[in-house]
Amino acid sequence: QQQVKQSPQSLIVQKGGISIINCAYENTAFDYFPWYQQFPGKGPALLIAIRPDVSEKKEGRFTISFNKSAKQFSLHIMDSQPGDSATYFCAARRTGANNLFFGTGTRLTVIP
Amino acid sequence: GAVVSQHPSWVICKSGTSVKIECRSLDFQATTMFWYRQFPKQSLMLMATSNEGSKATYEQGVEKDKFLINHASLTLSTLTVTSAHPEDSSFYICSAKPGASGRETAPYFGPGTRLTVL
Repeated sequence: QQQVKQSPQSLIVQKGGISIINCAYENTAFDYFPWYQQFPGKGPALLIAIRPDVSEKKEGRFTISFNKSAKQFSLHIMDSQPGDSATYFCAARRTGANNLFFGTGTRLTVIP
Repeated sequence: GAVVSQHPSWVICKSGTSVKIECRSLDFQATTMFWYRQFPKQSLMLMATSNEGSKATYEQGVEKDKFLINHASLTLSTLTVTSAHPEDSSFYICSAKPGASGRETAPYFGPGTRLTVL
């Protein structure tokens, strides 16, 4: 059973546009939600993370929006660049645990 | 940020042989490391949790006799794929979290190892 649901599966955005990736979860025991960026043939790299007590977190062009009541969170990439083209995974971690549950991934392509 | 390395980065082996993959935390100690498997264009699937000084905890459906995990020190975990077969071909990724880190720290991932079994 997929603990974290992610959409869309793929996304094409024009350079300078906003990329939006959405994730949803059911387990209320999740208390930490990181986003990872993965380039082909490489391991995932942490982008940004958020806890449920915060509704939004911004780091540079990357913003996480969190809706605790709806159990949804999303990644917004502002001013998307071709170098942002990669696969993005949302993830969630239970309270007191170390392992992550990953979403299914979104392949982002930013066209010049 | 913290660095996790894997060796080798890729390996090709014949069916029936065993392959060992190393995962090292280079600048921090990790009492727990994780091994994931990723098929092309798919998500990461947790295989097992590697605990320093004790037996690994395997996820449901993962054969512990086939995927041997050893966490001999606070900076090294190894995954050995025994009697590898073509269906074991995949991208294997480890992750580790600094042992003394706070709640805000997410695990760091290694660069992955591409295993191809002929």
